[in-house]
Amino acid sequence: GAGVSQSPSNKVTEKGKDVELRCDPISGHTALYWYRQSLGQGLEFLIYFQGNSAPDKSGLPSDRFSAERTGGSVSTLTIQRTQQEDSAVYLCASSLALGGQDTQYFGPGTRLTVL
Amino acid sequence: GENVEQHPSTLSVQEGDSAVIKCTYSDSASNYFPWYKQELGKGPQLIIDIRSNVGEKKDQRIAVTLNKTAKHFSLHITETQPEDSAVYFCAARVQTGANNLFFGTGTRLTVIP
Repeated sequence: GAGVSQSPSNKVTEKGKDVELRCDPISGHTALYWYRQSLGQGLEFLIYFQGNSAPDKSGLPSDRFSAERTGGSVSTLTIQRTQQEDSAVYLCASSLALGGQDTQYFGPGTRLTVL
Repeated sequence: GENVEQHPSTLSVQEGDSAVIKCTYSDSASNYFPWYKQELGKGPQLIIDIRSNVGEKKDQRIAVTLNKTAKHFSLHITETQPEDSAVYFCAARVQTGANNLFFGTGTRLTVIP
């Protein structure tokens, strides 16, 4: 079956512009995560959605970052007034989150470059 | 919060030799420890995981060990092949709140043919 998909695969933007990154989780997965991977670093948690519950935003680095998940499926991560330090690969993961099936499956990521 | 440290940052081995990557974690409440392999331009892919009620788990050439007392876990790859070359990440999860994973900083493994 289809895995987690993300779009665009690459995004180049100018400092100060807003960007939207999209994630399509695996069908039926109720949990969705966004992580950020800076060059040469591990993955940093950003935000978590589980079903219809309020998202856990504890990892968002600033109020310029926000995310939503419509209809319990597709998610969009928005970064407003982008800064050069926002340049990174943004990874989305989903999991079934039922009956102990909590393995997180990752998409290929969106490489964001802020000039 | 949880802090995961991973060593070494780079590792080169001859084809056929074994590779070992080690991680430590700080939160004794962590109960799930996956290992991911990331190839260039791709997202991380789960290769093996272990839960806190198990000390060792094997899957063909890959094994993971967990020492809860010492709060460390290791990945062992035997009979390495060139296609094992990638960046490997360990992670830990505390099963409260967001259930998010805390990742190590990665190990770049190079298998020399």
